[in-house]
Amino acid sequence: EEQLVESGGGLVQPGGSLRLSCAASGFTFAKFWMYWVRQGPGKGLEWISQINIDGSDTTYAESVKGRFTISRDNAENTLYLQMNSLRVEDTAVYYCTRGTMGFDPWGQGTLVTVSS
Amino acid sequence: DIQMTQSPSSLSASVGDRVTITCRASQGVTNDLSWYQQKPGRAPKRLIYAISSLQSGVPSRFSGSGSGTEFTLTITSLQREDIATYYCLQHHNYPLTFGQGTRLEIK
Repeated sequence: EEQLVESGGGLVQPGGSLRLSCAASGFTFAKFWMYWVRQGPGKGLEWISQINIDGSDTTYAESVKGRFTISRDNAENTLYLQMNSLRVEDTAVYYCTRGTMGFDPWGQGTLVTVSS
Repeated sequence: DIQMTQSPSSLSASVGDRVTITCRASQGVTNDLSWYQQKPGRAPKRLIYAISSLQSGVPSRFSGSGSGTEFTLTITSLQREDIATYYCLQHHNYPLTFGQGTRLEIK
């Protein structure tokens, strides 16, 4: 079964940092572009970042550019999102997902709460 | 940026009804258009990709159509388990953008 499992969410103060992980299984991770999508409380879905198969090409939404860094370890089948200078408006459930004619599958999500 | 305008924002229908949700793109997205279902407290799930291709395991009452800038998700006979919020996504240009969502309720 193709599966993505996020971890690393939690409560952090404004200005703080957090690193999310996404463990992939059931497919050849190194062959796929990977993405992070987030959903604020009661809000819609927002694409925030993507990374190509070897990590040499990354793209970010303007809302996180310069603060978030996406990376991957193909040997460990793991996707990461380093989040720095966190803001209250970054509070959301963060999903990792695989790029294949859109997004499929999705992880279960990990909640990041930015609050003092 | 490509804006995805989804309508309606909410919809109430009866079991067995035919339901249509529309997504309009601010510019052409070729066939880089997919649809997602999200049930409360759950991750989104892809229903349709490349405008009209049905995701494996998704019931055949779901279908997608359209071209250019206007796209439609149709549920031919609504079931109770279809209660969810539905989103379209364009992955033609960065930033990738979702519609704002359609909340579907049962009357």
